[in-house]
Amino acid sequence: EVQLVESGGGLAQPGGSLRLSCAASGFTFSTYNFNWVRQAPGRGPEWVSYISLSGSTIYYTASVKGRFTISRDDARSIVYLQINSLRVEDAAVYYCVASGGGIYRFNHWGQGTQVAVSS
Amino acid sequence: DIQMTQSPSSLSASVGDRVTMTCRANQVIGTYLNWYQQKPGKAPNLLIYAASTLQSGVPSRFSGSGSGTDFTLTISSLQPEDFATYYCQHSYNTPPTFGQGTKVEMK
Repeated sequence: EVQLVESGGGLAQPGGSLRLSCAASGFTFSTYNFNWVRQAPGRGPEWVSYISLSGSTIYYTASVKGRFTISRDDARSIVYLQINSLRVEDAAVYYCVASGGGIYRFNHWGQGTQVAVSS
Repeated sequence: DIQMTQSPSSLSASVGDRVTMTCRANQVIGTYLNWYQQKPGKAPNLLIYAASTLQSGVPSRFSGSGSGTDFTLTISSLQPEDFATYYCQHSYNTPPTFGQGTKVEMK
């Protein structure tokens, strides 16, 4: 069974940093592309970032470029999202999503980790 | 960025009803369109990809159609577990974007 377990969320101040982790199990990690998708309360999901097999291709949504960094560790089956220079508008539940059959076909989702931003 | 617009934003229906909702893209996206179901406090779940292909394990009462800019998700006979919010999402280019959702509520 595919399992994605996020961690690292919490409360941070504006301008602060967090590092989200996504531990994967139940499938061959190295054969999947990964994404982070976030969802603010009462709103639809918003795609944040994508990393390809082996990490050779990376994309970000415009609002996080230069502040967020996605990476993957195939040896440990973990995907990371380093979040710097946090803004109030970054507050959301962050989901780790594995995509297969198409880089933006979001097949498998984690349970999410909450990021709150407040001074 | 491609904008996805869903309608209606909410609908009321009863168990056994046929339910239809639509999604419109503001530019042609072929059949690069996915549908998700989300229940409160849970992550979205992929129902349909490539506009009309049922994801493995999804009941056959769900179906999708459309191409170009206009798409439809149909539930042929609404079941109690189908009360949820449904999102469309294009996968045509970067960034992939979602619609604002259609909430299916009990009448």
